[in-house]
Amino acid sequence: QKEVEQDPGPLSVPEGAIVSLNCTYSNSAFQYFMWYRQYSRKGPELLMYTYSSGNKEDGRFTAQVDKSSKYISLFIRDSQPSDSATYLCAMEGGNNRLAFGKGNQVVVIP
Amino acid sequence: DVKVTQSSRYLVKRTGEKVFLECVQDMDHENMFWYRQDPGLGLRLIYFSYDVKMKEKGDIPEGYSVSREKKERFSLILESASTNQTSMYLCASSPGQRNIYEQYFGPGTRLTVT
Repeated sequence: QKEVEQDPGPLSVPEGAIVSLNCTYSNSAFQYFMWYRQYSRKGPELLMYTYSSGNKEDGRFTAQVDKSSKYISLFIRDSQPSDSATYLCAMEGGNNRLAFGKGNQVVVIP
Repeated sequence: DVKVTQSSRYLVKRTGEKVFLECVQDMDHENMFWYRQDPGLGLRLIYFSYDVKMKEKGDIPEGYSVSREKKERFSLILESASTNQTSMYLCASSPGQRNIYEQYFGPGTRLTVT
């Protein structure tokens, strides 16, 4: 079983819809949970991070972590064409390295 | 803004050549990383460095080596390039031991080995 599982999609939604992305993981030691966004032909950029369980909101983006279920989610409200990108989940648990999901391609259709 | 730059956006090399990929960051970050990104496999860590002249193997170090002689510069070396090393190579940096999660990536180098 891979440490981090992320359904690669792709996911197409109409503009204004809510985008829901998620990852599952197997390593109980993970404490930091991140979402990176990667535009085509660019490097990933950190979108949000959460420490331990709970929710975090930043504008139209909400990250949720449920450590009991080993499940994390990212929600994008009022999606825009500029949100079209690949979203990668990542986790860190004290070994000085990140474990990445494979990425989920999102296309927001105007 | 943190800036991570990589020496080339696109590179084409022949099998058996020695290949150098350079990465420079301008924010005095302690940690630097080299990843490769392949369709269906995601991002995989090749090597990382948490200090000058220090390095640690990642998940797929075979066929690669690294060098970090100065804090701002981290080089990835393919000793003898092979076709299965055709990939997108991404360099990243992060501020320190407590901020591993906060990684800043360069634009990537797409390497083709023929």
